[in-house]
Amino acid sequence: GAVVSQHPSRVICKSGTSVKIECRSLDFQATTMFWYRQFPKQSLMLMATSNEGSKATYEQGVEKDKFLINHASLTLSTLTVTSAHPEDSSFYICSAILAGDKSSYNEQFFGPGTRLTVL
Amino acid sequence: GQQLNQSPQSMFIQEGEDVSMNCTSSSIFNTWLWYKQDPGEGPVLLIALYKAGELTSNGRLTAQFGITRKDSFLNISASIPSDVGIYFCAGLRGTSYGKLTFGQGTILTVHP
Repeated sequence: GAVVSQHPSRVICKSGTSVKIECRSLDFQATTMFWYRQFPKQSLMLMATSNEGSKATYEQGVEKDKFLINHASLTLSTLTVTSAHPEDSSFYICSAILAGDKSSYNEQFFGPGTRLTVL
Repeated sequence: GQQLNQSPQSMFIQEGEDVSMNCTSSSIFNTWLWYKQDPGEGPVLLIALYKAGELTSNGRLTAQFGITRKDSFLNISASIPSDVGIYFCAGLRGTSYGKLTFGQGTILTVHP
């Protein structure tokens, strides 16, 4: 159980275009999902917190107009990289928290990641 | 954002050897977590620690939550080739719902 998928797994796009990445919780409902970015040989950096039915909360330094997040249902959050540039090339990973988790620690289940390459 | 100080950055060991890595922080965390990431994949949770001083095992893995709540270590005993990967520590503060702070990662290479 607690499987998170991402689509696509890899995407190559031209500079200036927009790319949408989907994050789905396959066998559970997730009121909260997180989007991370990971550059080669570096750690995961939190970009934003996505809450179902409300606006995403972005971390400092992350442009909300460039990285559009939509959490339209309890099983789907999307990240759209608008007007992509080569410096946006990275590994984007989402995670999801089980809805209704009352434990002191809400375990995050991570997706397999999406490799974005902007030419 | 703030990162945890994780060391060593990389390790090259022989199969069968034990491995130890640690994370430190200048501030307190209420939960410490250890993840493993294989190339091109998302992180997978190995061990979660909830109390200061807690020592928890998962097979050949053992992790401890430091008494000061500012550090944690992970030990892997009798390493095998499939232990290869990147290991990350992560901390969670009680006031930040679900927002993890990650260490820089330890790249582990195991030679058969």
